[in-house]
Amino acid sequence: AQTVTQSQPEMSVQEAETVTLSCTYDTSESDYYLFWYKQPPSRQMILVIRQEAYKQQNATENRFSVNFQKAAKSFSLKISDSQLGDAAMYFCAYRSFQAPFGNEKLTFGTGTRLTIIP
Amino acid sequence: DTGVSQNPRHKITKRGQNVTFRCDPISEHNRLYWYRQTLGQGPEFLTYFQNEAQLEKSRLLSDRFSAERPKGSFSTLEIQRTEQGDSAMYLCASSLTGTQGHGYTFGSGTRLTVV
Repeated sequence: AQTVTQSQPEMSVQEAETVTLSCTYDTSESDYYLFWYKQPPSRQMILVIRQEAYKQQNATENRFSVNFQKAAKSFSLKISDSQLGDAAMYFCAYRSFQAPFGNEKLTFGTGTRLTIIP
Repeated sequence: DTGVSQNPRHKITKRGQNVTFRCDPISEHNRLYWYRQTLGQGPEFLTYFQNEAQLEKSRLLSDRFSAERPKGSFSTLEIQRTEQGDSAMYLCASSLTGTQGHGYTFGSGTRLTVV
């Protein structure tokens, strides 16, 4: 079974600075998807960025980028120019690429609470 | 389309009572998922449907839990004889076959408190 580990329960960053959230995972599969989700206090999970494991290029979405190290099974999220609206819980998640019945689920880490300091 | 809708947003119930939650997915999405999130934890998978067929159930889904998606549109999650350990946020998500790599769209959840 796959596991996802987020070792930083809380992080804080000064507004306009850069912060990196860590995520490691364990899997025996070669193809899979990785995601970062944001969960603001309103509680709706919002997809921030995704990465296909077969792609070597790191994904980027505006101020959000990832550092995907497949061999190390590491998938960190970098937030540049942090804004007050970035304050939220951030969850790393894993999904199998091939989805016969039984592999549909997302496996989440325990999350990192990000605080933005004005 | 207004996204994934969940009702009610909050539910307080006495231990031993039955509760039912509803999820309305994005209309063109044929896959629907239920997750449970306890305080300080990430969401945990409960079950998923493709159209009206329930294709996978987690071991977390005890026999007190039942989920349905009768016409392949909205879904209900019922918990019978609630226990205090059932207190959690229940999240619904949906997706379209072939787009799972794009992630799922989540609803705002139903927060259950069992007293």
